[in-house]
Amino acid sequence: RKEVEQDPGPFNVPEGATVAFNCTYSNSASQSFFWYRQDCRKEPKLLMSVYSSGNEDGRFTAQLNRASQYISLLIRDSKLSDSATYLCVVKPDSNYQLIWGAGTKLIIKP
Amino acid sequence: DVKVTQSSRYLVKRTGEKVFLECVQDMDHENMFWYRQDPGLGLRLIYFSYDVKMKEKGDIPEGYSVSREKKERFSLILESASTNQTSMYLCASSSIRQGNHQPQHFGDGTRLSIL
Repeated sequence: RKEVEQDPGPFNVPEGATVAFNCTYSNSASQSFFWYRQDCRKEPKLLMSVYSSGNEDGRFTAQLNRASQYISLLIRDSKLSDSATYLCVVKPDSNYQLIWGAGTKLIIKP
Repeated sequence: DVKVTQSSRYLVKRTGEKVFLECVQDMDHENMFWYRQDPGLGLRLIYFSYDVKMKEKGDIPEGYSVSREKKERFSLILESASTNQTSMYLCASSSIRQGNHQPQHFGDGTRLSIL
């Protein structure tokens, strides 16, 4: 079992729709969680951190479910520019490393 | 803004060559990382460094070495390039200020092809 698992997609979603995807992690001691966004042939960029109480940044909402060991990302009113691969990242405690999911590809269609 | 600069966007080398990939960051970050990214596999950590002259193996260090002589520079070396090292290589840096949970900032990546 991979340490961080994501549905690779692609998710094909019409513009304006709401889309959500999850990411599961295997290490119950993980402490920090992030969503990164990666455009085609570009480097990953931090989208948002995921806090225990859940957090929102504009149209994006991130949730953490420790009991079931997953995090989620919800995008409301999706835009064409949201098309990208979304990478789930987990950081174990007292460790410099990040554990990366393989990414979920999202395609927003007009 | 954090700036992480990788020396080349595209590089073509031959099997058996020694290859150097350079990475420089301008934010005085303590931590630096080298990853490779292959389709369907996500980012895999090759080596990382948390201080000058310090290095730690990541998940796939075989066939690679690194050098960190200065805080801002982290070099990845392919001792004798092989075709299975054809990949996208990404350098990242992060700070340990304000606790140990800082996001990583990436360079543009180097797409390396070994012929």
